[in-house]
Amino acid sequence: DAMVIQNPRYQVTQFGKPVTLSCSQTLNHNVMYWYQQKSSQAPKLLFHYYDKDFNNEADTPDNFQSRRPNTSFCFLDIRSPGLGDAAMYLCATSSRFDGLNFGPGTRLTVL
Amino acid sequence: GEDVEQSLFLSVREGDSSVINCTYTDSSSTYLYWYKQEPGAGLQLLTYIFSNMDMKQDQRLTVLLNKKDKHLSLRIADTQTGDSAIYFCAEAIVFGNEKLTFGTGTRLTIIP
Repeated sequence: DAMVIQNPRYQVTQFGKPVTLSCSQTLNHNVMYWYQQKSSQAPKLLFHYYDKDFNNEADTPDNFQSRRPNTSFCFLDIRSPGLGDAAMYLCATSSRFDGLNFGPGTRLTVL
Repeated sequence: GEDVEQSLFLSVREGDSSVINCTYTDSSSTYLYWYKQEPGAGLQLLTYIFSNMDMKQDQRLTVLLNKKDKHLSLRIADTQTGDSAIYFCAEAIVFGNEKLTFGTGTRLTIIP
């Protein structure tokens, strides 16, 4: 089945220790998104790729970076995680006619 | 700027209809969506409506859109225990390559 896969589902890191979250898709969608969702809050868009074009939201901290080496994969790098970065990170894809398809999310804990 | 608001909680007896409401502020919204999120999971697209429509029905789901009042609702008929989840409405300007703005989510609890 075509899908959006996120690994790992649960990630624990230490304060200040870089961490990378992964997302892959078998949908061949040209747009990929990273959302941050904190407890009991709405998902907040961090950035998205339209093909290889990177689009950063104005209020996304510099601590968050992303890479998209090919159509199928997208990575979220948090350079120096703080306690406030603990959240669920959701990857999503879309093409012009499909809307947004979300992965199951990675829950990040910062110790 | 864009702002999407929802009530935080709704409790409904099993078998009754659930109505989840949403208001938005961006009059240029082209598409409006309803997503469902179960505990510990990602968001599942339930349905969407184009802004030139005022109603869309899909099995147990009915979406009503009042563009004048910028009000969107999701009605779930014959609510079941499996409908327990958080429901998010979202608005977007362009379908497909869109940036969605989500509401705060409504937690639906089913009373047996």
